[in-house]
Amino acid sequence: DAKTTQPNSMESNEEEPVHLPCNHSTISGTDYIHWYRQLPSQGPEYVIHGLTSNVNNRMASLAIAEDRKSSTLILHRATLRDAAVYYCILSKYNNNDMRFGAGTRLTVKP
Amino acid sequence: KAGVTQTPRYLIKTRGQQVTLSCSPISGHRSVSWYQQTPGQGLQFLFEYFSETQRNKGNFPGRFSGRQFSNSRSEMNVSTLELGDSALYLCASSRGTDNEKLFFGSGTQLSVL
Repeated sequence: DAKTTQPNSMESNEEEPVHLPCNHSTISGTDYIHWYRQLPSQGPEYVIHGLTSNVNNRMASLAIAEDRKSSTLILHRATLRDAAVYYCILSKYNNNDMRFGAGTRLTVKP
Repeated sequence: KAGVTQTPRYLIKTRGQQVTLSCSPISGHRSVSWYQQTPGQGLQFLFEYFSETQRNKGNFPGRFSGRQFSNSRSEMNVSTLELGDSALYLCASSRGTDNEKLFFGSGTQLSVL
């Protein structure tokens, strides 16, 4: 199975943009890139997902490298409520088998 | 519409007992996935059910089993509990097609004494 690599932790200042990287060098052509986050004492929450093109939604943007071997989750203006563990996951088309890694713990400083 | 509901929220059992956890998915969702979360191992995939059939399975022993009913509600069962089974058990639902996003419940915190 294709795996992802993320930094263990990152820090950001409130109201500044945050770029969370994810490496997935063994990604296959049918793998989707998903991002979830988990706030303290809650289940994970969907953030965004994409296949090849960059994606935007109200929560974040997903920038996917042209060779698809890496991607970046962009939070445009971090708030204290964005402090969470962010997971980058690969899953195959029409398959809900999502394998979470250790994720990146994001700390947002006021 | 109502989110994913897991019951009970907390559970305490002793070694050797068995336990059944319940998950009610979002209305219209046909897929339910189960995950185990521990501080040491993180989130680990147990299995996924779609239309009453197990579609995917993680690397857990046979003591962990599940089922899904015709109304898409799902249960997971752990038999012969071990101390290491203490964890937060999360379920997630989705429509189950075309890489749909998962909606997670708040989980059941199981403590095995």
